Amino acid sequence: SQKIEQNSEALNIQEGKTATLTCNYTNYSPAYLQWYRQDPGRGPVFLLLIRENEKEKRKERLKVTFDTTLKQSLFHITASQPADSATYLCAVDNSGYALNFGKGTSLLVTP
Amino acid sequence: GAGVSQSPSNKVTEKGKDVELRCDPISGHTALYWYRQSLGQGLEFLIYFQGNSAPDKSGLPSDRFSAERTGGSVSTLTIQRTQQEDSAVYLCASSPQGLALAKNIQYFGAGTRLSVL
Repeated sequence: SQKIEQNSEALNIQEGKTATLTCNYTNYSPAYLQWYRQDPGRGPVFLLLIRENEKEKRKERLKVTFDTTLKQSLFHITASQPADSATYLCAVDNSGYALNFGKGTSLLVTP
Repeated sequence: GAGVSQSPSNKVTEKGKDVELRCDPISGHTALYWYRQSLGQGLEFLIYFQGNSAPDKSGLPSDRFSAERTGGSVSTLTIQRTQQEDSAVYLCASSPQGLALAKNIQYFGAGTRLSVL
């Protein structure tokens, strides 16, 4: 069956460090993969999209990698700040229009 | 509008009652999606609209759930004879395009928190 797995345990890191979140998927061949941020009581907000033929994508302090052989994406936040504390969702393209979301990883950045 | 708007933001209802949840997508977005998010769970896909038609209703949990979209804009998700297990946050998203070649970036509303007592 198709699965998207993200670390269920919260990630606690110190301000200024790099946070790395993992997304593994099974039985998908996605054309692209997306990362979203969700704050409590809010809907997810799009952050980055990476295509299957791209190894890496950057946006300001964010970096995403996509390894279609390992079926894995890594999401990095460099120089993390307390304001980066949120839940981060990985979403895999399915059927060309729908997205299947992972359950998300909660990130807490402490001063 | 500036973003996806959902109403009501909170809904408390009694078991067995019907509820209607409304989604007003970003103007010009042709694709519209409904998801359900239960506590501690991921987003569960419910239904997708391209224009006014729903090519994929596969995620609707039961025949108590239905949705429509009129004028290629506003969508309503209706839950009949609500059950306690229907309690969740219902999220709506819209996208400029829902076709295979598009990026399919989704813009979400804040959701409707439904509590069935």
